Amino acid sequence: EPEVTQTPSHQVTQMGQEVILRCVPISNHLYFYWYRQILGQKVEFLVSFYNNEISEKSEIFDDQFSVERPDGSNFTLKIRSTKLEDSAMYFCASSVSGYNEKLFFGSGTQLSVL
Amino acid sequence: DAKTTQPPSMDCAEGRAANLPCNHSTISGNEYVYWYRQIHSQGPQYIIHGLKNNETNEMASLIITEDRKSSTLILPHATLRDTAVYYCIVKGGTSYGKLTFGQGTILTVHP
Repeated sequence: EPEVTQTPSHQVTQMGQEVILRCVPISNHLYFYWYRQILGQKVEFLVSFYNNEISEKSEIFDDQFSVERPDGSNFTLKIRSTKLEDSAMYFCASSVSGYNEKLFFGSGTQLSVL
Repeated sequence: DAKTTQPPSMDCAEGRAANLPCNHSTISGNEYVYWYRQIHSQGPQYIIHGLKNNETNEMASLIITEDRKSSTLILPHATLRDTAVYYCIVKGGTSYGKLTFGQGTILTVHP
């Protein structure tokens, strides 16, 4: 079965540094998402992306965050200046369409900010 | 999107059916019921979804009550690999893939 691929699986960074998390969604999918899960907490929606623009974003997704689809296959999440509280597992997901469709999630990138 | 209520944990014997309940009494007419699961901090995995009719796929069955205020996910023959957190999510059609995860039900399947 096709899958969403995320790299790296673990990322360690210093507070204040920029990080880019990478994802390769399933090839025929048109909608892309980022979620995160702080250790022991709920999975939280960050942003949805379609047709090269953000469709919806949560309050968490402030100016420090940005997303991009730099080419036909990758989808990235950038955090400009990381904070300790950005430490979390970040999940990328994709779907064929945006309405009443199942999301396919990647296995996540564990981000640790020191 | 409507709020859901699930028991925090459930146990099931391997090979038996696991029946996971979910209450969503404030669900509105155009909202679907979705079930996902998360195995040990992996990415959530889609299981099944439905509007008002019962649904079945290779993983599970979804039974939605006639008034749509509650539903049950049935894993017909649970295995140890089904041990996971199961999330019941109600979602309308107005937001692109924005799933609101709650705490879910921790299902533990015992040998």
